Amino acid sequence: DTEVTQTPKHLVMGMTNKKSLKCEQHMGHRAMYWYKQKAKKPPELMFVYSYEKLSINESVPSRFSPECPNSSLLNLHLHALQPEDSALYLCASSQVDMGFTYNEQFFGPGTRLTVL
Amino acid sequence: SQQGEEDPQALSIQEGENATMNCSYKTSINNLQWYRQNSGRGLVHLILIRSNEREKHSGRLRVTLDTSKKSSSLLITASRAADTASYFCATDAARSARQLTFGSGTQLTVLP
Repeated sequence: DTEVTQTPKHLVMGMTNKKSLKCEQHMGHRAMYWYKQKAKKPPELMFVYSYEKLSINESVPSRFSPECPNSSLLNLHLHALQPEDSALYLCASSQVDMGFTYNEQFFGPGTRLTVL
Repeated sequence: SQQGEEDPQALSIQEGENATMNCSYKTSINNLQWYRQNSGRGLVHLILIRSNEREKHSGRLRVTLDTSKKSSSLLITASRAADTASYFCATDAARSARQLTFGSGTQLTVLP
């Protein structure tokens, strides 16, 4: 299985809602990532988990809360979002190289989030 | 700030022609990767070139890397309409190998 799945595909939420995005992979990858992508822009890294521990947080507002319950799952909990948070949220995974050089990342199809 | 900048921002060619996209970056890297993204979808990894490599081929793709100029190019030969997509280069800074930074991207349109 070389697929990264993300649910839901689309999400519309109000600024007072609490929702979660989910990501799953069964490739045995021990690094997982959340990216945010605005229209016609490149993906921007939000969080990196390595061996289920948060290793990078790119100064993301606290209204975004990541969670890695196990090596296959990655969640992104959303609370009190703003309209400017509307974007495509991409999850990715990769092997972890002992030499820290990057292996290719496998991306999910993304969740299209709209905040009203 | 973005590590990589790509040019052109948009490229339109006829089917069968070659397409060349360029990427420049600012800091020392471990490797450079190219990804493709169809409209509104996830990214697909195309090819990875390590900092000690100068050229790499994969099917119709040819990637070059010039670390002295901090630049890379992606050549797609004999393009097809199905190659229409956005193409991004991505680098990891040598000191922060866990952080992948994407270039601004090139939107390629291949006309049938």
